[in-house]
Amino acid sequence: KQEVTQIPAALSVPEGENLVLNCSFTDSAIYNLQWFRQDPGKGLTSLLLIQSSQREQTSGRLNASLDKSSGRSTLYIAASQPGDSATYLCAVISNTGKLIFGQGTTLQVKP
Amino acid sequence: SAVISQKPSRDICQRGTSLTIQCQVDSQVTMMFWYRQQPGQSLTLIATANQGSEATYESGFVIDKFPISRPNLTFSTLTVSNMSPEDSSIYLCSASPDEAFFGQGTRLTVV
Repeated sequence: KQEVTQIPAALSVPEGENLVLNCSFTDSAIYNLQWFRQDPGKGLTSLLLIQSSQREQTSGRLNASLDKSSGRSTLYIAASQPGDSATYLCAVISNTGKLIFGQGTTLQVKP
Repeated sequence: SAVISQKPSRDICQRGTSLTIQCQVDSQVTMMFWYRQQPGQSLTLIATANQGSEATYESGFVIDKFPISRPNLTFSTLTVSNMSPEDSSIYLCSASPDEAFFGQGTRLTVV
């Protein structure tokens, strides 16, 4: 059974810092991996999708990497801003389209 | 990308009643899913909404409690039946050709 773990559960940093969020999964037979952002009381916003054949994806200040063999993904956020404060969720996607989520990392960026 | 509209966005319901949540996608999609996010928790898959056939439920979720319809490739409904306070959660609809997209969710409070 696939299990997804995110570390740390919470993170507080001063504005401008670069930071790394970690995601690990127990079964390397994944189809894709996707990172989401969730603001309090809101739905999910897709940040980055990494297909299983890819090693990384970049969008603006965000970079996500994937190492299937070790069951790990990281989300790198450069030059963090207060507007980045949110919960970040990692999800592995099976070939049936089902998502299995980690518990999330709640990020606070202080001005 | 797909844009997903979900309604209602929130509701407060009396225990013992039922609520139907609607999910509309702006393009035809093969896969649609329903997730639940309990307070302070991550997302858990309820079921896969299959077009033209019965939904496929995950362990712990049953059709009598969460009946789902999917009459076409752009629309689905989830009903939360005979509600109790334990059903208070955010319910989210997702569409997944490859990358998963989510609606803004329905925040349900059962009193």
